[in-house]
Amino acid sequence: DADVTQTPRNRITKTGKRIMLECSQTKGHDRMYWYRQDPGLGLQLIYYSFDVKDINKGEISDGYSVSRQAQAKFSLSLESAIPNQTALYFCATSEKEVGTGENQPQHFGDGTRLSIL
Amino acid sequence: SQQGEEDPQALSIQEGENATMNCSYKTSINNLQWYRQNSGRGLVHLILIRSNEREKHSGRLRVTLDTSKKSSSLLITASRAADTASYFCATRGSNYKLTFGKGTLLTVNP
Repeated sequence: DADVTQTPRNRITKTGKRIMLECSQTKGHDRMYWYRQDPGLGLQLIYYSFDVKDINKGEISDGYSVSRQAQAKFSLSLESAIPNQTALYFCATSEKEVGTGENQPQHFGDGTRLSIL
Repeated sequence: SQQGEEDPQALSIQEGENATMNCSYKTSINNLQWYRQNSGRGLVHLILIRSNEREKHSGRLRVTLDTSKKSSSLLITASRAADTASYFCATRGSNYKLTFGKGTLLTVNP
């Protein structure tokens, strides 16, 4: 989805380095998410944000932090990268839900492939 | 932890055939969604079915939901080579999060 842009697309770095992955969106959505995908596995939720002042931990937040700089920008940081954080990282957005249980579909960027040596 | 589990893990068919993928889940849901992921790309939303719905259609896609069995199926009719991708189900429970399964890799041979 070209409306959700992730940078960089690929990154190779060394153990112990601080890494920032950036996500920006032009869809005007309030909600943003960071996921991690490992080979042969589904997506695991790292952090999610329902608006600029509302940030929540997901299933696997240890070792990660996030910043919601604006409605359109949500960045993910690895403070001290380790090899088992090598994965494909996705940012996604969705509109605010309407009613009860009316989960809006999520719109994904094309991912950042991160390799930590 | 994965809520949904797709079956089979991989499926290879010929162009023109139908493809059926299944998803089972463990806890009650508000809705279930199917996504497609082409190699090297992000996920694309295909269809959403609510817990009070049993069947839904969108183009060549047909989704069924059986809440008593906690399962869903995605049928792609008259498949094309361009349908080659991984397909994921995602469940939405009482919280606000989607939980994704591990996916089915579909290969459609020309």
